[in-house]
Amino acid sequence: EAGVTQSPTHLIKTRGQQATLRCSPISGHTSVYWYQQALGLGLQFLLWYDEGEERNRGNFPPRFSGRQFPNYSSELNVNALELEDSALYLCASRSDRGDEQFFGPGTRLTVL
Amino acid sequence: QQQVKQSPQSLIVQKGGISIINCAYENTAFDYFPWYQQFPGKGPALLIAIRPDVSEKKEGRFTISFNKSAKQFSLHIMDSQPGDSATYFCAASMWGGSEKLVFGKGTKLTVNP
Repeated sequence: EAGVTQSPTHLIKTRGQQATLRCSPISGHTSVYWYQQALGLGLQFLLWYDEGEERNRGNFPPRFSGRQFPNYSSELNVNALELEDSALYLCASRSDRGDEQFFGPGTRLTVL
Repeated sequence: QQQVKQSPQSLIVQKGGISIINCAYENTAFDYFPWYQQFPGKGPALLIAIRPDVSEKKEGRFTISFNKSAKQFSLHIMDSQPGDSATYFCAASMWGGSEKLVFGKGTKLTVNP
């Protein structure tokens, strides 16, 4: 069974640009979570999507947004990039029959 | 109240020794407590998880001990191996694992050969 996949692996942008990160959950998983792992700040919850709806969002500004598609894949958009947005962005998926969140390898976003 | 406090920040253990990482929480609504292992450049991998109705859970060399009254839980790695060298995160969630995970700051474990 394929795990959670994320693309791209690395993304380099400049301040003020927009970034789009993609996530494909494990087959059969309907929930997708996004987390930010910035140096020194640990893993911070960003967004939770389930059945195409946003269920919860963390303490991040509105320029962090996303969506979930009918096939349960998800996209994270970050507008007006700032230097401090440089981080590893992790996607996790969960089945509606289980507790476990399984993580993908992440997208390393660098803002110059 | 949403915080999970993890200690130590770093840990050095000799091969064959026991590694112990501790976590504490305040929010009594948390009802799911997983541990993740992360290698450099990789995403976190779920190691083992526990619910508050159980005081201990063992999977191979990994054991979670849970103390509901003290609001503390810990990960024990028996017979630690150099391949266990990684960063370990404890986490907590409400409503089983369906809500967001609140993570500890992580413990960097080094197992010397």
